[in-house]
Amino acid sequence: AAGVIQSPRHLIKEKRETATLKCYPIPRHDTVYWYQQGPGQDPQFLISFYEKMQSDKGSIPDRFSAQQFSDYHSELNMSSLELGDSALYFCASSLLSADTQYFGPGTRLTVL
Amino acid sequence: KNEVEQSPQNLTAQEGEFITINCSYSVGISALHWLQQHPGGGIVSLFMLSSGKKKHGRLIATINIQEKHSSLHITASHPRDSAVYICAVDSGGGADGLTFGKGTHLIIQP
Repeated sequence: AAGVIQSPRHLIKEKRETATLKCYPIPRHDTVYWYQQGPGQDPQFLISFYEKMQSDKGSIPDRFSAQQFSDYHSELNMSSLELGDSALYFCASSLLSADTQYFGPGTRLTVL
Repeated sequence: KNEVEQSPQNLTAQEGEFITINCSYSVGISALHWLQQHPGGGIVSLFMLSSGKKKHGRLIATINIQEKHSSLHITASHPRDSAVYICAVDSGGGADGLTFGKGTHLIIQP
């Protein structure tokens, strides 16, 4: 069965650079969630989208933005990267009505 | 904000032992998730519960809504069960993000 796809899987950037992470949800899923997991930390919710509209916002820095496109894939844009942005970024998708979130493999971002 | 507490934080057991991991939360929820995270980071959804009990293979998850408590049990544990087990709650309807516990680091020794 198709799973959530994230790209790239690994990304290395310098401070102050920008990064774009992509998430392709399971087909027919209408909701996408983004989470950030710092080293040794539990995941923190960043933002979610339902039917291409922002649905809920968590602890997402102002330097980050995200959107969901007409094909339901989502992109997380990160600007002015800081060392503290180094983390594993997970995307999850669900059918809004079903609640169960299916997680992607994550993108490991390293900021040098 | 929902506070999610897991216990124990670390657990080392011998192969074949029965394992219990506990999770409690502070505010009413719409659903509770048990997740598994292996070294290298990938997260796998094990269960989503809103009431009662679910079983999948050697894994059993229960939830008591009144007591705001859930347990994850592993029967006949195996070294491949070694992972971090995370409890996460959905505090509302719609596309709310999950609130995660700190996780339980489980090591099953042969």
